[in-house]
Amino acid sequence: DAGVIQSPRHEVTEMGQEVTLRCKPISGHDYLFWYRQTMMRGLELLIYFNNNVPIDDSGMPEDRFSAKMPNASFSTLKIQPSEPRDSAVYFCASSALPGQGGGETQYFGPGTRLLVL
Amino acid sequence: KNEVEQSPQNLTAQEGEFITINCSYSVGISALHWLQQHPGGGIVSLFMLSSGKKKHGRLIATINIQEKHSSLHITASHPRDSAVYICAVRLIQGAQKLVFGQGTRLTINP
Repeated sequence: DAGVIQSPRHEVTEMGQEVTLRCKPISGHDYLFWYRQTMMRGLELLIYFNNNVPIDDSGMPEDRFSAKMPNASFSTLKIQPSEPRDSAVYFCASSALPGQGGGETQYFGPGTRLLVL
Repeated sequence: KNEVEQSPQNLTAQEGEFITINCSYSVGISALHWLQQHPGGGIVSLFMLSSGKKKHGRLIATINIQEKHSSLHITASHPRDSAVYICAVRLIQGAQKLVFGQGTRLTINP
C-alpha cells in the first residue's frame, strides 16, 4: 500500500484566498484524522471521521475551516478565506477499527506545508 | 496547564548513551501513543500502550496508569535516532481523539 497520500505537499497563497488540502487514506481504514502542527501549539486534532461521518470537529478553529469526506478514499480540508495565522503543516492520518490488525495505530501522511502571505 | 506534559523539551546526548523521555498526563486515558517525527517532518507511530511495557528493537516504552506517567527509553542510541518524540493520549475509551504533548527534540551526536 502507498500509505496515506496528501496533496499538495506545499502551498503558498495570499491572505483571503481559498485553500483546499486533499487526503487519500489507506485502503480499508475506517478512521481519518486531520491535524495541524505549528511551532507554538504543536500537533492539534482538527477533526476526525469514522466511515466518512464526522465524529469530532471540536478542534476546527472557526467557520473558515471545513472538512468533508465524500467517500472512503478521499477527504478535503478547506480554508476560506485563508489568513496568515493559518500557516502550518497539516497532516492527515488514518487508522483501522480497534481490534483489527494494526488496530488503532495511526498512519500519517507526509503533510501539507501551508504558507499564507 | 497542558493535559500532556513531556520532559525534557530538548535532549542532546552522545552516541551509545541510554536515553529516557518522560510523559505525564493529567486526565483519564484509555491508551497512550509514542510517535517519532523525523527531521524531514514525517510522523511514524512507535508504540501504543494501555498498560505495562512494550519493546521494539532498541526502543522500550512503559506506562504506569496509576501514576499517569509513561517513559520512552532508547538503548545504545545512534545519530539516526535524532528526531522529535511525541507523546499522545487517547482520552475516552471508544473514542479515537488524541491529545498531544509538545514533543521532545532528541539529538544524538556521533
